[in-house]
Amino acid sequence: EVQLVESGGGLVKPGGSLRLSCAASGFTFSNTWMSWVRQAPGKGLEWVGRVKSDIDGGTTDFAAPVKGRFSISRHDSNSTVYLQMNSLVTEDTAVYYCTTIGLTVSASFDFWGHGTLVSVSS
Amino acid sequence: SYVLTQPPSLSVAPGRTARISCGGDNIGRKNVHWYQQKPGQAPVLVIYYDSERPSGIPERFSGSNSGNTATLTISGVEAGDEADYYCQVWDSSGDQYVFGTGTKVTVL
Repeated sequence: EVQLVESGGGLVKPGGSLRLSCAASGFTFSNTWMSWVRQAPGKGLEWVGRVKSDIDGGTTDFAAPVKGRFSISRHDSNSTVYLQMNSLVTEDTAVYYCTTIGLTVSASFDFWGHGTLVSVSS
Repeated sequence: SYVLTQPPSLSVAPGRTARISCGGDNIGRKNVHWYQQKPGQAPVLVIYYDSERPSGIPERFSGSNSGNTATLTISGVEAGDEADYYCQVWDSSGDQYVFGTGTKVTVL
């Protein structure tokens, strides 16, 4: 069974930093692209960024609102993907979901974690 | 950037058919995926590649895509189908994943 468990959310002041973790199990993590998707309170889904598998280059891509502030890394040894968030602003307040990309269906977010809440407020 | 537009809300009686549109420029040339999100839960993939159903998704869910509009159809709507629905594509020109604005389906 595919499982994605996010952690690391919490309250942070504007300008601060936070690192989210996503522990994966139930599939071959090293072969799988991973992504982060967020949802602001009462709003829709917004793609944040992705990391390709190492065999596909291990590169990262980000949505415009977070480019240059957020980074993603992956540790295949412990099947974990991280989202490092710097220079946080109030608009970054959201539930952050970890997802697989294309584990079973190419270019889709086919499995999701339960999410972790990040609140940016003074 | 590529934009996907959905109606904000849709109400349907039990047993009837709900059709949720997702409009985008030449969306018919892209692969469209659909997600269902119930209150307080993470989204779930319900349709991929325009019209395919993942394992475990009821046959009541179907999809189509042509021209500038993709459509998610829920036949024989049940109370448990009440949720928010989002379409999604990969925009290769912008190297971005794009979600639709979302549609809240209410079962009367």
